[in-house]
Amino acid sequence: AQSVTQLGSHVSVSEGALVLLRCNYSSSVPPYLFWYVQYPNQGLQLLLKYTTGATLVKGINGFEAEFKKSETSFHLTKPSAHMSDAAEYFCAVTPSGAGSYQLTFGKGTKLSVIP
Amino acid sequence: KAGVTQTPRYLIKTRGQQVTLSCSPISGHRSVSWYQQTPGQGLQFLFEYFSETQRNKGNFPGRFSGRQFSNSRSEMNVSTLELGDSALYLCASSLARGASSYEQYFGPGTRLTVT
Repeated sequence: AQSVTQLGSHVSVSEGALVLLRCNYSSSVPPYLFWYVQYPNQGLQLLLKYTTGATLVKGINGFEAEFKKSETSFHLTKPSAHMSDAAEYFCAVTPSGAGSYQLTFGKGTKLSVIP
Repeated sequence: KAGVTQTPRYLIKTRGQQVTLSCSPISGHRSVSWYQQTPGQGLQFLFEYFSETQRNKGNFPGRFSGRQFSNSRSEMNVSTLELGDSALYLCASSLARGASSYEQYFGPGTRLTVT
């Protein structure tokens, strides 16, 4: 069984400030981890993923995330927020190597960027 | 390359009716998954199809069903609609092969309103 916890349903940052969105997971097998972004009235867009290899992964739009097995975390960061980053962000997990494409999502974090 | 397309984008149905939603995956993608998104329950996995076979199923009643055709296009059907079925239904496709096998690409969704 897997679960994902995103701390903070709503996060506000000033334009140019650091963005930090938190994600912790629980999984009985090594997971693959993902971050998705959803803009209003749109589907989900893949930001980045961790499957194997380097634990610091870089994604689109300047975002990156670090897989920390000991902390069961996969927090999303961006050094400098832009107004266009305002959206809802979802962390997701799927069991590795199981041939499963079933994603378990967190509840989402809505990011607001203050000019 | 064209993205995942879903039709229709918006749908209004009456309680007790049935509905069929359609999804065309990215060309070459063999896996199609369906998710339900509601404000209360968030994003929940419905089912996943690969080569016309259902590989995984989420915890939804039997009123929710789906199928996949030989060209990888997929449909999902909801019978005897209930008010609680009002949601955004998202389809995602995956190459299901190689290094990108676990990346899922989402369509814009079908917004279903049950009155």
